[in-house]
Amino acid sequence: DTAVSQTPKYLVTQMGNDKSIKCEQNLGHDTMYWYKQDSKKFLKIMFSYNNKELIINETVPNRFSPKSPDKAHLNLHINSLELGDSAVYFCASSRPGARGETQYFGPGTRLLVL
Amino acid sequence: QQQVKQSPQSLIVQKGGISIINCAYENTAFDYFPWYQQFPGKGPALLIAIRPDVSEKKEGRFTISFNKSAKQFSLHIMDSQPGDSATYFCAASMLTGRRALTFGSGTRLQVQP
Repeated sequence: DTAVSQTPKYLVTQMGNDKSIKCEQNLGHDTMYWYKQDSKKFLKIMFSYNNKELIINETVPNRFSPKSPDKAHLNLHINSLELGDSAVYFCASSRPGARGETQYFGPGTRLLVL
Repeated sequence: QQQVKQSPQSLIVQKGGISIINCAYENTAFDYFPWYQQFPGKGPALLIAIRPDVSEKKEGRFTISFNKSAKQFSLHIMDSQPGDSATYFCAASMLTGRRALTFGSGTRLQVQP
């Protein structure tokens, strides 16, 4: 049983195309995230949703638009893809706790823009 | 602005040795400091975490040391094993408010047999 799943796992596309990545979690968490991992392995937050409400939008270009149809799903749509968008995109989910908060990451979507 | 600085970038340790990775943070509002382990082709997974009200936390072979006044924390892997070879990320977040993780730049650990 996969806790956080993402589709597709790999995405190869041409510059200028529009693509979507889907994420689903079956952990009952109320908060979901999108992180981007660049070619140097650096991980950076892009968006955070809590109960379907956007709470963090980390200076990401407007071409990136997250959508959360319900608490268990957070999708990422990217318009007019650019070469610099090539990266691994990770979805994560968590539930707040007084002593700690484990974020569970999906397996990642490897996006290559040609 | 990199709010969490991590070193070294890479580390080679012999089997049975001790691996030490260091991190420093700037934002004093951070109150949760996890370490994540990432294997090639996989997502990061929580290894161990600490809150600033304790100076050390140990889970098996993994220990976090935390120095609040210096705003530094480190991961010690005792009796390092080849299976520990992975990339390790320190991170920091706030348990209330902004809960997104701010990651360090990662340390690639190789444990040689």
